[in-house]
Amino acid sequence: GENVEQHPSTLSVQEGDSAVIKCTYSDSASNYFPWYKQELGKRPQLIIDIRSNVGEKKDQRIAVTLNKTAKHFSLHITETQPEDSAVYFCAATSGTYKYIFGTGTRLKVLA
Amino acid sequence: NAGVTQTPKFQVLKTGQSMTLQCAQDMNHNSMYWYRQDPGMGLRLIYYSASEGTTDKGEVPNGYNVSRLNKREFSLRLESAAPSQTSVYFCASILGTGSYEQYFGPGTRLTVT
Repeated sequence: GENVEQHPSTLSVQEGDSAVIKCTYSDSASNYFPWYKQELGKRPQLIIDIRSNVGEKKDQRIAVTLNKTAKHFSLHITETQPEDSAVYFCAATSGTYKYIFGTGTRLKVLA
Repeated sequence: NAGVTQTPKFQVLKTGQSMTLQCAQDMNHNSMYWYRQDPGMGLRLIYYSASEGTTDKGEVPNGYNVSRLNKREFSLRLESAAPSQTSVYFCASILGTGSYEQYFGPGTRLTVT
């Protein structure tokens, strides 16, 4: 069945450094790839997304890249700040609107 | 505009009891979802409704039933709760028709003893 693998499960970086989280998907029909940030006890919130007809998208310190051939996409956070500490989830969906999520990455930004 | 709302926020059940989790959205969205979130497991799709009048199974549907009552409301029912259903449950919705952004409700923390 459809699957999304996410790595690493935990990531610690020094404040100001960059963080990269990677996801691999199995369904070649997937065409939309969102990233969510979830703070402790809160709901997931969309931080950036990319569609299959685009290779890269950037929003200030956050960027997402997509490699359709290899079926993987990555989240890049530059100049990390303590408030970036959270759990990050990737997801993939095709036109059926069925979403499959990765298992999450706990990011810790050390001051 | 309240977005996606869920009731209750917290619930404790005994094994074998039943309950219904309620979800409503006021954004005129077409598709609605139920997820469960367990530590280290991420968000797993239980059921979803791509449009009013349709429902489909997700990854972990066993032990659950759903009803898309109307365009606004999508409920999740546990007929005979089990300790393995202890989890945080999130409802979500998307507009659809080319707009894919999911909006999540605040979650329901369910404990089954």
